[in-house]
Amino acid sequence: EAEVAQSPRYKITEKSQAVAFWCDPISGHATLYWYRQILGQGPELLVQFQDESVVDDSQLPKDRFSAERLKGVDSTLKIQPAELGDSAMYLCASSLNSRKPQHFGDGTRLSIL
Amino acid sequence: GDSVTQMEGPVTLSEEAFLTINCTYTATGYPSLFWYVQYPGEGLQLLLKATKADDKGSNKGFEATYRKETTSFHLEKGSVQVSDSAVYFCALGTGRRALTFGSGTRLQVQP
Repeated sequence: EAEVAQSPRYKITEKSQAVAFWCDPISGHATLYWYRQILGQGPELLVQFQDESVVDDSQLPKDRFSAERLKGVDSTLKIQPAELGDSAMYLCASSLNSRKPQHFGDGTRLSIL
Repeated sequence: GDSVTQMEGPVTLSEEAFLTINCTYTATGYPSLFWYVQYPGEGLQLLLKATKADDKGSNKGFEATYRKETTSFHLEKGSVQVSDSAVYFCALGTGRRALTFGSGTRLQVQP
């Protein structure tokens, strides 16, 4: 079982609704990543945190997506409003620091109806 | 920008066959290279890594050698098992940036 905890594992919602995903990284890991993986493709970075600060959100669609890591530990990724094209697996990963290997959670599978 | 190209799948092999999954990359600077494996319904697990040219990463019978001259990091295993059936991702990391992944190669091993 993955040591990075994510919830929920599955989420089905209708377009225009709000959705939120939660990630609890490995204890002591300062760097946290949110990736989106579209079916049949590799993961692509949405946002990278170092402690509580965002260090890269260049690929995050900021008109609808937001992410926070208020205390530098767990993190929440939100989508509002959801669109059909947001259907994907959302993966969280953490690492001791940005130069160390990343450890992935089992992801949240999002389906937008 | 950085990019990773993997051979398209699925790759279908019989048990005990030899496996090669090709991976080439384009990067500025000197990246670290990784292979991750993803089993159905799960996240990615680090399989092996190499941090400099000519390094060989190995784990669970899988091997890959960092070839700077050909910008490649091909994954190999001498004898695959049914339990190796999964999707394999090649990835690179540079400095403090997040990983850049290839599109993945599905491996199906038949008994």
